[in-house]
Amino acid sequence: AQKVTQAQTEISVVEKEDVTLDCVYETRDTTYYLFWYKQPPSGELVFLIRRNSFDEQNEISGRYSWNFQKSTSSFNFTITASQVVDSAVYFCALSEDGSARQLTFGSGTQLTVLP
Amino acid sequence: GAGVSQSPSNKVTEKGKDVELRCDPISGHTALYWYRQRLGQGLEFLIYFQGNSAPDKSGLPSDRFSAERTGESVSTLTIQRTQQEDSAVYLCASSFYSGNEQFFGPGTRLTVL
Repeated sequence: AQKVTQAQTEISVVEKEDVTLDCVYETRDTTYYLFWYKQPPSGELVFLIRRNSFDEQNEISGRYSWNFQKSTSSFNFTITASQVVDSAVYFCALSEDGSARQLTFGSGTQLTVLP
Repeated sequence: GAGVSQSPSNKVTEKGKDVELRCDPISGHTALYWYRQRLGQGLEFLIYFQGNSAPDKSGLPSDRFSAERTGESVSTLTIQRTQQEDSAVYLCASSFYSGNEQFFGPGTRLTVL
């Protein structure tokens, strides 16, 4: 069975600090997808990234970067120079069977960026 | 429309009543998904549609839950004889095809008294 663990329930940082959100997953499949979503206070989930299990290259998008390591089954998310607008709940998710249909979500990490 | 829309945004009902939640996907998106998010928790998958067919209903928590979809457009999630544990935010998402990135609506907050 697939499982996603986000051990950090809440994180607070001061603006401009870097912060890393951890995600550890479990799956028996060799083909799977990993996702990160942001849920701001408005409640609407915003898609951030999708990675497939065959692509371990790290990715950078502006202040966001992702570190995918199959050896440790982790897909961590780093925000560089955090801003108040980054405050939100961040969810990591996994989809097995290579279809990216049914997503299994972690319990989320509440990030608060203080001014 | 620009994004996925859901109605109502909030629904308060009494235990034992039936409720219908509506989702309008992004135009052109063939796949549609329903999730449930309990307070302070992650999302639980309920069901997905490819067109108007629902190949995977494994996430529906009980036979009180059902969903249908008309063509490749609107979907309705129905909860019969609501219970207090049904209280949650029900989120709908759509994607161009099943397997593509899912775009989420704002959710319907259901409160069962």
